Amino acid sequence: DIQMTQSPSSLSASVGDGVTITCQASQDISHYLNWYHQKPGRAPKLLIYDSSILMTGVPSRFNGSGSGTLFTFTISSLQPEDFGTYYCQHHDNLPLTFGQGTRLDI
Amino acid sequence: QVQLIQSGPEVKKPGASVKVSCKVSGNTLTEFSIHWVRQAPGKGLEWMGFFDREDAEGTYAHQFQGRVTLTEDPSSDTAFLELTSLRSEDTALYFCARLVGDLGLGYFDFWGQGSPVSVSS
Repeated sequence: DIQMTQSPSSLSASVGDGVTITCQASQDISHYLNWYHQKPGRAPKLLIYDSSILMTGVPSRFNGSGSGTLFTFTISSLQPEDFGTYYCQHHDNLPLTFGQGTRLDI
Repeated sequence: QVQLIQSGPEVKKPGASVKVSCKVSGNTLTEFSIHWVRQAPGKGLEWMGFFDREDAEGTYAHQFQGRVTLTEDPSSDTAFLELTSLRSEDTALYFCARLVGDLGLGYFDFWGQGSPVSVSS
């Protein structure tokens, strides 16, 4: 199984700040990497798929990049609604696996 | 607009079974793949599997093999997850999600609201 490791596990930031989260895969997954945002008690929301493609309707302050084993997710200017937990998920092969999550406090 | 509507909370005793449903509206079930993901309290997301219509059987994550059964009823556009031999560690929020992709690989663009399952003696 492919292991996905996110860092940091948590971070605190202020409105207007930029933040970066990384996701490392235990083996080459090409660009098959998705990013989700989840608020407590709610279903995850897809933000970015295939490493860098912004889902329709997602603000342009969100950005993803990377390929192979190392991926980066950035928020350029934090908004209050961006708090919550962010997860990466690979889809190179089965089983699908998620990173452990990065909790963002604002 | 696609919606995935899940069944309500369940409280079960250890050793029992639970069956959770996920009804698709705004589209038909057979037009895409439904996967199941669970989340224990305070923990991350754990992929469980999906019903592969090509093989007419479920494809499951290793840790659930032998305890989980995924089925579908196209006549009611509803997918089902059944988990047996429940233990306290199965206490979680169970989500169904629509996969955009092929061969079980892709991204999840629509999710159900989650079905809470609590296992306690």
